[in-house]
Amino acid sequence: NAGVTQTPKFQVLKTGQSMTLQCAQDMNHNSMYWYRQDPGMGLRLIYYSASEGTTDKGEVPNGYNVSRLNKREFSLRLESAAPSQTSVYFCASSPFGANVLTFGAGSRLTVL
Amino acid sequence: DAKTTQPNSMESNEEEPVHLPCNHSTISGTDYIHWYRQLPSQGPEYVIHGLTSNVNNRMASLAIAEDRKSSTLILHRATLRDAAVYYCILRLRGGSQGNLIFGKGTKLSVKP
Repeated sequence: NAGVTQTPKFQVLKTGQSMTLQCAQDMNHNSMYWYRQDPGMGLRLIYYSASEGTTDKGEVPNGYNVSRLNKREFSLRLESAAPSQTSVYFCASSPFGANVLTFGAGSRLTVL
Repeated sequence: DAKTTQPNSMESNEEEPVHLPCNHSTISGTDYIHWYRQLPSQGPEYVIHGLTSNVNNRMASLAIAEDRKSSTLILHRATLRDAAVYYCILRLRGGSQGNLIFGKGTKLSVKP
């Protein structure tokens, strides 16, 4: 079982460039999430999608957009990257209303 | 939102039990207590969760105080692989908003 797959694993951008982080899950989960983790910090929720066709803002949504492409895929887009968005990004999924999240391995993004 | 308080770090010897404490004095009746752990360079991993009663699974045990204002994650025999950051998190019962509020957690070191 692949679980939650994130691509790319590493990315370096220049300020102002755009990019999309991809996330796919094969567990038939309804809910998907994007978190960021800065050095020495816990995870902060950026956006989530409770079910296919819905998305909502989390704690730190500014500078990001998301798309729930279908039940399996949830992408995170940076339209104009800034150095403050240098972080490790984690995608997660869960059954709707369930208490257990499954996380991906993370995508490390550096914005110069 | 109800928050949790954990020690920044703890040390343990290999093959000894470890008790990781968590205070959550503002917990509400509908909050589940979750524990996740994050191994170095990996995404968080679910460990255990509970509401009122003590819980056991293959990874750990969760002891919940009678007033639910504190809980303890118990690793019965620590191994080197258990070295990780452990997060105690409150999540609304049935919540689908991804409202897992990660603090800084407790960094557990295991000595051989």
